[in-house]
Amino acid sequence: KNEVEQSPQNLTAQEGEFITINCSYSVGISALHWLQQHPGGGIVSLFMLSSGKKKHGRLIATINIQEKHSSLHITASHPRDSAVYICAGHTGNQFYFGTGTSLTVIP
Amino acid sequence: ETGVTQTPRHLVMGMTNKKSLKCEQHLGHNAMYWYKQSAKKPLELMFVYSLEERVENNSVPSRFSPECPNSSHLFLHLHTLQPEDSALYLCASSLQGQGSYGYTFGSGTRLTVV
Repeated sequence: KNEVEQSPQNLTAQEGEFITINCSYSVGISALHWLQQHPGGGIVSLFMLSSGKKKHGRLIATINIQEKHSSLHITASHPRDSAVYICAGHTGNQFYFGTGTSLTVIP
Repeated sequence: ETGVTQTPRHLVMGMTNKKSLKCEQHLGHNAMYWYKQSAKKPLELMFVYSLEERVENNSVPSRFSPECPNSSHLFLHLHTLQPEDSALYLCASSLQGQGSYGYTFGSGTRLTVV
């Protein structure tokens, strides 16, 4: 069993829908990352958070340390949001990656 | 461009070849990382260099040999690879020791071993 579990694994949404991707982890971490990987392979770091909530444009990330759970929300989804979203927990140099959620937003 | 540049973007090599992957960053970061991403698997951390010193080596086979000549450059030397080594190899960098762990990834090198 992976230390970081994401759900769902695959998600298809209509343009404009509100999207939630969930991440649960079973290890102690100092921070949690949400990463976005486009089909070409490049990865972009969206958020790094250790408590509370962060917002950037249409993206919102939350984390509940006690419950070891984080969510990534996308409001007013757009086809360009189509990508794989990866949750990763880290402490020191040790990273624990989820297998990713593949999101497809249909026009 | 993210600030972390990887070359080449694609590489096809035979099992007896020797090749090198290159990663370069000019973000002022002081830690660099090599990751392997195989299909349907989580990212796997291979090597970590902090301040040009290798601080982590996650049981990676010796046919993968990293080199970090300075804080801006990282290489992964490859020799006598196996077909199962075909994967996307990602480089990342970060700024450590300053209370900030912001990560920046490169676009990756898609390696195919034939």
